[in-house]
Amino acid sequence: DAGVIQSPRHEVTEMGQEVTLRCKPISGHDYLFWYRQTMMRGLELLIYFNNNVPIDDSGMPEDRFSAKMPNASFSTLKIQPSEPRDSAVYFCASTFGLRTEAFFGQGTRLTVV
Amino acid sequence: GNSVTQMEGPVTLSEEAFLTINCTYTATGYPSLFWYVQYPGEGLQLLLKATKADDKGSNKGFEATYRKETTSFHLEKGSVQVSDSAVYFCALSLNTDKLIFGTGTRLQVFP
Repeated sequence: DAGVIQSPRHEVTEMGQEVTLRCKPISGHDYLFWYRQTMMRGLELLIYFNNNVPIDDSGMPEDRFSAKMPNASFSTLKIQPSEPRDSAVYFCASTFGLRTEAFFGQGTRLTVV
Repeated sequence: GNSVTQMEGPVTLSEEAFLTINCTYTATGYPSLFWYVQYPGEGLQLLLKATKADDKGSNKGFEATYRKETTSFHLEKGSVQVSDSAVYFCALSLNTDKLIFGTGTRLQVFP
């Protein structure tokens, strides 16, 4: 397996634009997590899914953020409209079960200007 | 609630020095414990893990022992290298909850 795949690796967008980040988890994994990492706030869990169903979205900062998992092999994190304070590295991770190793993607570095 | 506390960084060491990064946890139940490492420009990757009390996880010269009595999982390495420079995250996981990370500790090793 190629691991967790995120796209794009880098995204630069203007304030107010819609941004969509994509994630393909490892085949067979039943949990998918979206994290945001900044220098100021560290690693924050935004939302996670189990079998494509959102379980906990309490970390989603605002209504501007939304996440979907239409099937077991694909998830998106959308920010609309984007703001400069959304600039961060966004990671996707997947696991098989809850007490097991999480596999992280390479991340998407988002810059909103 | 469930949480992980790890020492603030950065930790700055000379090559071949001994490393300890402290990690303590609070959990309702008996968690699995993990150390993840993040090299510059990359995602987190598992370094080692322990699933029950007194287990010792080890990998690449790093070790950590699951201490239930002190609720700790300190990371150690006897002789660090420049290539160990990275951010290290302690984490726990329960059957009923998501993976919970500490704030991360940056390690800088100088030749």
